[in-house]
Amino acid sequence: DSGVTQTPKHLITATGQRVTLRCSPRSGDLSVYWYQQSLDQGLQFLIQYYNGEERAKGNILERFSAQQFPDLHSELNLSSLELGDSALYFCASSLTPRGTEAFFGQGTRLTVV
Amino acid sequence: EDQVTQSPEALRLQEGESSSLNCSYTVSGLRGLFWYRQDPGKGPEFLFTLYSAGEEKEKERLKATLTKKESFLHITAPKPEDSATYLCAVGGETSGSRLTFGEGTQLTVNP
Repeated sequence: DSGVTQTPKHLITATGQRVTLRCSPRSGDLSVYWYQQSLDQGLQFLIQYYNGEERAKGNILERFSAQQFPDLHSELNLSSLELGDSALYFCASSLTPRGTEAFFGQGTRLTVV
Repeated sequence: EDQVTQSPEALRLQEGESSSLNCSYTVSGLRGLFWYRQDPGKGPEFLFTLYSAGEEKEKERLKATLTKKESFLHITAPKPEDSATYLCAVGGETSGSRLTFGEGTQLTVNP
């Protein structure tokens, strides 16, 4: 158990809908990362927050957004969902903003039908 | 742009048959090279961080080594429970906090 908690574990929704994925980092970790893993691609970095502020942005679509709350949990919002958004979404956390060792949650499997 | 290439894509071993997985990388200023293990449908599990060429780290049957261009994950006398996908990732000085992952090597150890 990495100590990173993600909910829900599974999510099935229709195209055009909006969903919210939640992540609680390890106790004491200030940095949260979101990654997407689909069958035809490896783990792709989406976005990072550190202590409530956006720190780095990767290949995140404009339809996606994230935030980190004062209690350090983070949410990833996915809107206007398309079939191609079906993937595993992972959250990771680390103590420092440079993330020398990032620990991953068990992921949320999103299926868009 | 940081790049990571892992080989082979898949490896099938008999229990006790030692082997190595390769991770070739290009990065502008290596901040760290990371090895993870991922079981199907699960999140990546952190194994090692290597920071500089010549560094080695061991954990049970796994040993990771690093050169300026590649890293190897040596598996000694593997057991069926070592079956998983092994992911390599790099963090570069110019890429901020993000990790760039390879596609992984899917290892199967048969009893």
